[in-house]
Amino acid sequence: AQSVTQPDARVTVSEGASLQLRCKYSYFGTPYLFWYVQYPRQGLQLLLKYYPGDPVVQGVNGFEAEFSKSNSSFHLRKASVHWSDWAVYFCAVSTYQGGRALIFGTGTTVSVSP
Amino acid sequence: NSKVIQTPRYLVKGQGQKAKMRCIPEKGHPVVFWYQQNKNNEFKFLINFQNQEVLQQIDMTEKRFSAECPSNSPCSLEIQSSEAGDSALYLCASSPHRGANSDYTFGSGTRLLVI
Repeated sequence: AQSVTQPDARVTVSEGASLQLRCKYSYFGTPYLFWYVQYPRQGLQLLLKYYPGDPVVQGVNGFEAEFSKSNSSFHLRKASVHWSDWAVYFCAVSTYQGGRALIFGTGTTVSVSP
Repeated sequence: NSKVIQTPRYLVKGQGQKAKMRCIPEKGHPVVFWYQQNKNNEFKFLINFQNQEVLQQIDMTEKRFSAECPSNSPCSLEIQSSEAGDSALYLCASSPHRGANSDYTFGSGTRLLVI
């Protein structure tokens, strides 16, 4: 069955430190993967997306992610975290069923300490 | 500011009442999705459309939920008889096509509280 797992429910990082958020997927075939961010009382904003090709994907605001087929992973990284990165981050995979709905992980809440 | 417009932002209903929310997809996006996000950040796909045609919907949607995307009008999602468990953030998303490489634009959501 298709699924997305984000093993870390919450991560706290110091401002200026690096960040890595983990995402594991289960999918038959070639996955199309996404990372979204959700700020308080807002919808989802796309950070980056992976389509088959270069495994390292650059996104907005200094985020990047690396796809690994062997590890079934799509981890998100940022070299230097800013206080404005305090949010919930969701990994998602596009299904192959009609309409291509997304399957989401349960998110990782990132807290930034001064 | 999102290009997908959802109204209202907040909705409070009593159990058994109807709850209706609307979504205007991004211009040029004929494919529309509705998702339910609960307080545990679990997402549930409810239904999607291409233009006015339903592409896929889950069983829950078939029984108590109704949705439509009429031509030249906002899309809507209505819960016929609200239950406490329906309290959640309802997100609408749109995409330009059904292809594997499609993008998705999300609205800010309608937060439903059923009391």
